[in-house]
Amino acid sequence: AQKVTQAQTEISVVEKEDVTLDCVYETRDTTYYLFWYKQPPSGELVFLIRRNSFDEQNEISGRYSWNFQKSTSSFNFTITASQVVDSAVYFCALSVRGTALIFGKGTTLSVSS
Amino acid sequence: SQTIHQWPATLVQPVGSPLSLECTVEGTSNPNLYWYRQAAGRGLQLLFYSVGIGQISSEVPQNLSASRPQDRQFILSSKKLLLSDSGFYLCAWSVTAVSTDTQYFGPGTRLTVL
Repeated sequence: AQKVTQAQTEISVVEKEDVTLDCVYETRDTTYYLFWYKQPPSGELVFLIRRNSFDEQNEISGRYSWNFQKSTSSFNFTITASQVVDSAVYFCALSVRGTALIFGKGTTLSVSS
Repeated sequence: SQTIHQWPATLVQPVGSPLSLECTVEGTSNPNLYWYRQAAGRGLQLLFYSVGIGQISSEVPQNLSASRPQDRQFILSSKKLLLSDSGFYLCAWSVTAVSTDTQYFGPGTRLTVL
């Protein structure tokens, strides 16, 4: 069975701090995809990244970076120099062919000024 | 570019009343469409998905139903709402029917059943 665990329920940081959101997944399939979504207070889920299981290269996009490690089944998300606008709920999700997208329970990030 | 719309944005309905939520996608043809519910506590639950007009797959049996009368229109309905139907309803679309394809979400409808 597939599962996504986001152990951090809530994280609070002060602006300009770096913050890492953890995501651990479980699957027996060798081909799978991992996603991160951001849900700001408005409610819409905003797609951030999609990564397949054969690509372990880390990704950087501006202040965002993702660390994918198959050895530990983790796909962690780091925000560098956090800003108030980064305050949101962040979801990690797993997709295996033939099954529905599986979401973690989300991590609420609060960035104060 | 593709855009996904949902309405209404918020809705307050009495128990036992009917429901109709609408989702439309612009800028793409033959999208795959999804309905999710996010209840208090944040968990996202897939309710229905559709790969084409008139084709609906249900993931969770309940008193909700879905229909796809047009290529880019997806409707979520209920004949009689229950208190447990309260939640945040999100519509999403993807290019292909492959489950590993990226899904893009709409702004959502917040439903409160009293």
